[in-house]
Amino acid sequence: KNQVEQSPQSLIILEGKNCTLQCNYTVSPFSNLRWYKQDTGRGPVSLTIMTFSENTKSNGRYTATLDADTKQSSLHITASQLSDSASYICVVSELNDYKLSFGAGTTVTVRA
Amino acid sequence: DTEVTQTPKHLVMGMTNKKSLKCEQHMGHRAMYWYKQKAKKPPELMFVYSYEKLSINESVPSRFSPECPNSSLLNLHLHALQPEDSALYLCASSQGFVSGGLDTQYFGPGTRLTVL
Repeated sequence: KNQVEQSPQSLIILEGKNCTLQCNYTVSPFSNLRWYKQDTGRGPVSLTIMTFSENTKSNGRYTATLDADTKQSSLHITASQLSDSASYICVVSELNDYKLSFGAGTTVTVRA
Repeated sequence: DTEVTQTPKHLVMGMTNKKSLKCEQHMGHRAMYWYKQKAKKPPELMFVYSYEKLSINESVPSRFSPECPNSSLLNLHLHALQPEDSALYLCASSQGFVSGGLDTQYFGPGTRLTVL
């Protein structure tokens, strides 16, 4: 069974600080990995997408990395803002499978 | 316009009621999805429509009935629901429906459903 595990489950950071979220997956054969941001009570919004050959992808203050050999990804948030408070979900696609494998998410709380 | 809209935002219904959730997108996407999300859990796929035809039904109980009237609209008809069906119902759309594809799914804001 394909699995996507995220850590930590939650974290609290001060405004302006950086943080890194982790995602480990067992999905194989691998197609692509996405990071989504989901505000409470809202739908997920795509931040980045990476395929097998991509090691890093940035979207503003968000930088995602991918190590397809170790099946690990990270999402780095730089200079956090209060609006970064949300759940960040790692989503992995398997080649030739329509279903997405969702991680349980990391809840980030940014405090002033 | 990369927006998927859903109505209503909130819905409270009794177990004997019949209600419908609506989803709309104007991005020209040919694939549309319904997901169910319980609190602090990842979304669970329910249905997939591709080119207005039902492609995937993830063994969803018949009290949930999807409908795709045209390429921009997706409905979810609800009847005789149970309290455990209370959840956030998310609609999503993508350019196409390809296994392992790179098409990003764009999610709507969801409908918060409470079944009494």
